[in-house]
Amino acid sequence: GAVVSQHPSWVICKSGTSVKIECRSLDFQATTMFWYRQFPKQSLMLMATSNEGSKATYEQGVEKDKFLINHASLTLSTLTVTSAHPEDSSFYICSARIGKNIQYFGAGTRLSVL
Amino acid sequence: GIQVEQSPPDLILQEGANSTLRCNFSDSVNNLQWFHQNPWGQLINLFYIPSGTKQNGRLSATTVATERYSLLYISSSQTTDSGVYFCAIRSGNQFYFGTGTSLTVIP
Repeated sequence: GAVVSQHPSWVICKSGTSVKIECRSLDFQATTMFWYRQFPKQSLMLMATSNEGSKATYEQGVEKDKFLINHASLTLSTLTVTSAHPEDSSFYICSARIGKNIQYFGAGTRLSVL
Repeated sequence: GIQVEQSPPDLILQEGANSTLRCNFSDSVNNLQWFHQNPWGQLINLFYIPSGTKQNGRLSATTVATERYSLLYISSSQTTDSGVYFCAIRSGNQFYFGTGTSLTVIP
């Protein structure tokens, strides 16, 4: 199947700093990628839809100035958590869509903000 | 938005046992995927099954779109089957994830 690489897999940062997470489709082009957040023992919550060459579409309640998304090429989307705080600690997962219906997931990034 | 509920929420099986996981959805859809999230968090595609039945080894899935449910069957379970199973449905440009079934297979 298609491969989506997400980096880093684990990051610890100090409160107030910014963290960038990369999501790459390795063997296909993805005009659309998704960013999810997952709290312990809960389902995935869609944060935003990242479209190549245009602005991301954010879900209700997700601060776009807090979670900056850039989809500059057909194989790369980035999520930057700006001025991170402990409540931003979570598991962040990206996915890339093939066709209309199928998405493949990165391995996730575990963010811990001290 | 679409509501996607899964049952049971938790399941503990003895190795070798069979199980059925259920996914109910609130609206008509023409696509559905099943995923397995392993203990390290990686989501693995199991099936794209908008309707009908598919089989892959010990796993099979059936979706009855007109009745708004899908079933995932796991036969002869193994400890490596442990993790959380999610179904997800696309509506428009969004994917809606179910509440998940956490499966633990004990030796």
